[in-house]
Amino acid sequence: SQKIEQNSEALNIQEGKTATLTCNYTNYSPAYLQWYRQDPGRGPVFLLLIRENEKEKRKERLKVTFDTTLKQSLFHITASQPADSATYLCALDGYSSASKIIFGSGTRLSIRP
Amino acid sequence: DVKVTQSSRYLVKRTGEKVFLECVQDMDHENMFWYRQDPGLGLRLIYFSYDVKMKEKGDIPEGYSVSREKKERFSLILESASTNQTSMYLCASKSPRGPRQEQFFGPGTRLTVL
Repeated sequence: SQKIEQNSEALNIQEGKTATLTCNYTNYSPAYLQWYRQDPGRGPVFLLLIRENEKEKRKERLKVTFDTTLKQSLFHITASQPADSATYLCALDGYSSASKIIFGSGTRLSIRP
Repeated sequence: DVKVTQSSRYLVKRTGEKVFLECVQDMDHENMFWYRQDPGLGLRLIYFSYDVKMKEKGDIPEGYSVSREKKERFSLILESASTNQTSMYLCASKSPRGPRQEQFFGPGTRLTVL
């Protein structure tokens, strides 16, 4: 069956360092991989999308890589700040307009001052 | 400002009650989704719809049904609520066209079944 795993439930790092979150998947050939941020008590908010034919995407302090051979995406936040503390979710989407989107269970990131 | 709204932020119901959760989006999106979110289990897809009157089962449809009579509205129905349906329920919508393919989420409904 299709499976998506974010292999850290929680990650604690020092302010200013780079946070790296991992997303692995099996039994899926996604057209897109997305990353979302979720704050407590709120719905997820879209951050970045990377397509299957793209290796890397950047947006301000965020960088996403996508390796379809390893079936893995890495999500980096550089120069991390306490305001980056949240849960980060990865999601896979297929080619069809009727595709089911699959979410990982999330990584809770805490940035300590 | 694009928006997905859900009818209630918090809801308390009794076992056996019929529960309606409403979701409305103002972005003219074709696709709409219902998820539940539980600690350690992440977001699990209950049902989704890619057009009016169309619905597809997600990963955990048992105990739920949905209705999509109008494009902007997607309702989740718990026919006979049970305590194991206590959860956070999230609605989302997206357009299958366009470059971003992002889902827009509502604020969530925290449902407690006693």
